[in-house]
Amino acid sequence: KNEVEQSPQNLTAQEGEFITINCSYSVGISALHWLQQHPGGGIVSLFMLSSGKKKHGRLIATINIQEKHSSLHITASHPRDSAVYICAAPDDKIIFGKGTRLHILP
Amino acid sequence: NAGVMQNPRHLVRRRGQEARLRCSPMKGHSHVYWYRQLPEEGLKFMVYLQKENIIDESGMPKERFSAEFPKEGPSILRIQQVVRGDSAAYFCASSPRRGYEQYFGPGTRLTVT
Repeated sequence: KNEVEQSPQNLTAQEGEFITINCSYSVGISALHWLQQHPGGGIVSLFMLSSGKKKHGRLIATINIQEKHSSLHITASHPRDSAVYICAAPDDKIIFGKGTRLHILP
Repeated sequence: NAGVMQNPRHLVRRRGQEARLRCSPMKGHSHVYWYRQLPEEGLKFMVYLQKENIIDESGMPKERFSAEFPKEGPSILRIQQVVRGDSAAYFCASSPRRGYEQYFGPGTRLTVT
């Protein structure tokens, strides 16, 4: 069993829809990392959060350390949001989820 | 402040040759991490280094692979006698301290022919 589990694995939605990606982890961590990997392969750090909620533009990330669960939300989704979203538990060696492949249709 | 730099961006090697991948961390970052992404798979940790020290190399194959982060210059991931299975994207990331947010480089795509 992977120590960091993401759901769903794949998600296709229409432009404008509200998107939620979930991440559950079994390791003991003090913070969680959300990453975005574009179709071209580049990786961008979206958030690192240890409690509560963070917002950046249309992206919102929440975390509940006690329940070991985090969510990434995208409001008013757009085709350019199409990417793989990865949650990761940073420690000495970061443990990655398998990623959620998001495809937003115009 | 330049981001994490990796070069080359694309590298083609024949079986049996050596591959050297370079990573220059962000200014002020002394912690470097290397990850490998095989085609159609997720990211996997390889090695974590701090200046002149290997902190954790548990994700790196014992043979043919080595990594260093010298006092001066970039971190180097070296793959000797490459095989087709080494074809992958290799990403490095850096952080200012252990456990802090990591910033990723653009990756080096290694193709072994």
